[in-house]
Amino acid sequence: GQNIDQPTEMTATEGAIVQINCTYQTSGFNGLFWYQQHAGEAPTFLSYNVLDGLEEKGRFSSFLSRSKGYSYLLLKELQMKDSASYLCAVPGNTGKLIFGQGTTLQVKP
Amino acid sequence: EAGVTQFPSHSVIEKGQTVTLRCDPISGHDNLYWYRRVMGKEIKFLLHFVKESKQDESGMPNNRFLAERTGGTYSTLKVQPAELEDSGVYFCASSPGYEQYFGPGTRLTVT
Repeated sequence: GQNIDQPTEMTATEGAIVQINCTYQTSGFNGLFWYQQHAGEAPTFLSYNVLDGLEEKGRFSSFLSRSKGYSYLLLKELQMKDSASYLCAVPGNTGKLIFGQGTTLQVKP
Repeated sequence: EAGVTQFPSHSVIEKGQTVTLRCDPISGHDNLYWYRRVMGKEIKFLLHFVKESKQDESGMPNNRFLAERTGGTYSTLKVQPAELEDSGVYFCASSPGYEQYFGPGTRLTVT
């Protein structure tokens, strides 16, 4: 089976750095996605990692360790607009996404 | 380029009634997925179309749910008869390959 775990809630301060962790157990591995979802809106694609290592994209970076079944999303220079849910997901067979419960991040002034 | 659209954005119906949700994917995307998020739970897969064919419907909860994709374009998800536990947010996503683009969802409340 497949299982994805991530913290339910996190709080951070504007301008700071926050790391959102995700651990996964899958029968096969076809990469890992991170999505951002603001309340009442569509999840939007942030990153896709298929190889080990860190991928940087502006203020957001995503890391993957396949041997440890572990990923994290790193958000730098936090802004108030970064308050949202962050969803970790892995593709199952046929491409369907299997999601974790999501981490609700609250950025405070 | 228009994104994935869903209609309606909200629907409130009584138990036993029928509701039909619609999804218009991004033009040219062969893959169309339906997902559902029940309050307090993770987003869960319902089914996957490739063009007009059902590729995977392993996530459909029961036979009260019927999905169609006319001519490989828009898709509908009908719930008949609706039950209280069907309440949640229904998301549609389309994809040309690996990255899925999500619609804003339909919030369904069954009372």
